[in-house]
Amino acid sequence: GAVVSQHPSWVICKSGTSVKIECRSLDFQATTMFWYRQFPKQSLMLMATSNEGSKATYEQGVEKDKFLINHASLTLSTLTVTSAHPEDSSFYICSAREPGGTSGGKVYEQYFGPGTRLTVT
Amino acid sequence: GENVEQHPSTLSVQEGDSAVIKCTYSDSASNYFPWYKQELGKRPQLIIDIRSNVGEKKDQRIAVTLNKTAKHFSLHITETQPEDSAVYFCAASGYFNKFYFGSGTKLNVKP
Repeated sequence: GAVVSQHPSWVICKSGTSVKIECRSLDFQATTMFWYRQFPKQSLMLMATSNEGSKATYEQGVEKDKFLINHASLTLSTLTVTSAHPEDSSFYICSAREPGGTSGGKVYEQYFGPGTRLTVT
Repeated sequence: GENVEQHPSTLSVQEGDSAVIKCTYSDSASNYFPWYKQELGKRPQLIIDIRSNVGEKKDQRIAVTLNKTAKHFSLHITETQPEDSAVYFCAASGYFNKFYFGSGTKLNVKP
């Protein structure tokens, strides 16, 4: 099956610094990737849709200047948390959409990365 | 946007019993409904999914039903085993392939 990796798996950073998280599709090309945030014992909250070669689209309430997303290639999307604060501490998970066209309204399966645990001190 | 509600938040069953988790969604345009199992600190794993043109789907001990008119779908696990203990999430997806997740159900199967 399709494999998605994330790096790093965990990171600790100081308040005010920035941290970059990478999401890679290892055995398929992903024109669309998604970023989620999950607080302890809570659900996955969709943050943004990352589109290869174009700007990311953000969900309502997500600060695009704080969570910078870059999807520079068909296998890599990055999420940079800028000026991190303790309240940004969370589990960040990416997913990559199953390859395929968009015609016909078909919804495609998403393959999830293993997640990145961010702790801001 | 889509709003997915999931119940119950916790569910304890005896090994061998059945477990049912229910979700409702708000956007009638949603047409794909996956269910995920997530163990602590790990990625969600797809266990079963259903598309809007189907009312029921079964895979061994797991089944999902969908009622599009009422906008609800349910996960059924029969003959539960201790290894079924985990957090289960439902999701709904439609336009732009975005997934919106329910709040999760912590299932505890007691031996």
